[in-house]
Amino acid sequence: EAQVTQNPRYLITVTGKKLTVTCSQNMNHEYMSWYRQDPGLGLRQIYYSMNVEVTDKGDVPEGYKVSRKEKRNFPLILESPSPNQTSLYFCASRFPSGTGGTQYFGPGTRLLVL
Amino acid sequence: QKEVEQDPGPLSVPEGAIVSLNCTYSNSAFQYFMWYRQYSRKGPELLMYTYSSGNKEDGRFTAQVDKSSKYISLFIRDSQPSDSATYLCAMGVISSGSARQLTFGSGTQLTVLP
Repeated sequence: EAQVTQNPRYLITVTGKKLTVTCSQNMNHEYMSWYRQDPGLGLRQIYYSMNVEVTDKGDVPEGYKVSRKEKRNFPLILESPSPNQTSLYFCASRFPSGTGGTQYFGPGTRLLVL
Repeated sequence: QKEVEQDPGPLSVPEGAIVSLNCTYSNSAFQYFMWYRQYSRKGPELLMYTYSSGNKEDGRFTAQVDKSSKYISLFIRDSQPSDSATYLCAMGVISSGSARQLTFGSGTQLTVLP
């Protein structure tokens, strides 16, 4: 089954404690991205990757890092989480840019930073 | 002003009603337009996408784009309780050199009452 998986699904942490949210896709997609979803603000792109070792900032990259060492995985790293990073996070993937195309979303990771 | 504006609702309709969901946008460079459906505690899933002004129909769903007015709509005919979800509009620019393409509306929460 074609899917995007994220772990963990729910996470409570404290300010300053580094965390990583994993994302993996089994569709051989080149393009992957991370979004955060907040009430009234919709989905905002954090980082994206057009291929292995190619990453770039989205609209709200501050406080986040990503890496793309393998095609299937695209982890999101919060080096020093703060309460304003409390949000619902989605990973997504699709075939290369240049067209619309179907973007597949993961099930989401709900993060609470105390 | 946000690039994409979407009425957050909530919108409640009786089963069988015709539902109209709308977004306006300010960036005339947007070239393709999408509607996503997001069930509670799930990631968004693509419903429809279109590149041109006019109507596109898929079963009970019709996407309408008016580029001159910068206005898109999604119509749902014979609405069902299973259509209860948040609907997100998204739009982007086709660019082979850039993958940072999708801008999302904030979503409209729809409830179809049996």
